[in-house]
Amino acid sequence: AQTVTQSQPEMSVQEAETVTLSCTYDTSESDYYLFWYKQPPSRQMILVIRQEAYKQQNATENRFSVNFQKAAKSFSLKISDSQLGDAAMYFCLLNYGGSQGNLIFGKGTKLSVKP
Amino acid sequence: NAGVTQTPKFQVLKTGQSMTLQCAQDMNHEYMSWYRQDPGMGLRLIHYSVGAGITDQGEVPNGYNVSRSTTEDFPLRLLSAAPSQTSVYFCASSIGQGDTFFGQGTRLTVV
Repeated sequence: AQTVTQSQPEMSVQEAETVTLSCTYDTSESDYYLFWYKQPPSRQMILVIRQEAYKQQNATENRFSVNFQKAAKSFSLKISDSQLGDAAMYFCLLNYGGSQGNLIFGKGTKLSVKP
Repeated sequence: NAGVTQTPKFQVLKTGQSMTLQCAQDMNHEYMSWYRQDPGMGLRLIHYSVGAGITDQGEVPNGYNVSRSTTEDFPLRLLSAAPSQTSVYFCASSIGQGDTFFGQGTRLTVV
């Protein structure tokens, strides 16, 4: 069975500091994608970053980067220079097939940013 | 592009009432799906579709019906609302293993 685990229900970071959100997953598929989505209080689901499993290089999008450890099945999100607008729920998502039925969500990590 | 348009944003139903949540996408995506989001549970798949005329059940399909008569539209029907269906609902669409696009969500309360 495919699983995604986010072991930190809540995290807190000081503004301008760096925080890392953890995600581990399990899949028997060799071809898959991993994503981090952000859900602010507005409820909108916003794509933060994606990682293709066949790529060894870690994805980076401005202040957001991932540490993708394929052998360990780990996919953590690092947020640098945290801003108040980063406060949100963050979901780790595994897409292991070509169908919407192949999406597995973690249960989310609620990130608070302190001024 | 409008992306994924989901309506309504809020809805209150009485137990036993029926309603349809609308979802439309203008990106010509093959895959569409419905999720419900409950506190501490993440997003759970209700139903999904891999193309017009094809639908399948997800993790929590009971009490919900879907149809996909066109590529663009994927409505979710609650046949007889129950308090256990109080939740936030999201429609989503994508192509293959590409990015998944979400609607704005519907907060449904069943009293």
